[in-house]
Amino acid sequence: QVQLQESGPGLVKPSETLSLTCTVSGGSMDSYYWSWIRQFPGKGPEWIGYIHARGRGSTNYSPSLKSRVTISLDTSKNQFSLKLSSVTAADTAVYYCARLDCTNQGCYLNVWGQGTTVTVSS
Amino acid sequence: DIQLTQSPSSVSASVGDRVTLTCRASQDISTWLGWYQQKPGKAPKFLIYAASSLQGGVPSRFSGSGSGTDFTLTINSLQPEDFATYYCQQATRFPFTFGPGTKVDVK
Repeated sequence: QVQLQESGPGLVKPSETLSLTCTVSGGSMDSYYWSWIRQFPGKGPEWIGYIHARGRGSTNYSPSLKSRVTISLDTSKNQFSLKLSSVTAADTAVYYCARLDCTNQGCYLNVWGQGTTVTVSS
Repeated sequence: DIQLTQSPSSVSASVGDRVTLTCRASQDISTWLGWYQQKPGKAPKFLIYAASSLQGGVPSRFSGSGSGTDFTLTINSLQPEDFATYYCQQATRFPFTFGPGTKVDVK
């Protein structure tokens, strides 16, 4: 059974870059879309973006974050990563990595990490 | 982006009750809709895809329906483990937006 685990600093200073890594265990990364989602207290999950593990690792980022986000993949380590630059207090949230499964019936987040809280503060 | 609204924002219910939650999309998404359950401090859990198909392992007391812009999630005979927040998610176009959620709590 596939499991995901986020890791990275829980505290980031304003204007710096938030960096998180998701380690995938129990299965292959091939053929799936690997995603980052965040959630603010009391709100629904919000998309950050995803990367496809096949081919050239195509990415798709939320338009509102596109200028600040980079998602990358290292299949040799079974990991994918998130970098969010120029963070502010408004980026304080719980960050999840997840596997996006796309079929002819749509795209759904079938497997989630446990989430990690990132606080932006000096 | 496709916007989703959910109603009610919260509902109080008792064990054994039948609960119906609603999700509305800002445009026609056919049956490309999923439902998730989230408990405090935990990641969301995927329940239903294609508006009405149960993910493996999800109890049959959960059911989904709808198409186009209006969807419902029904929980028959609510169990203690079902008290949680439920989110809908449109599955047709990135970003695959989520609704704001409906919290099901104890009456």
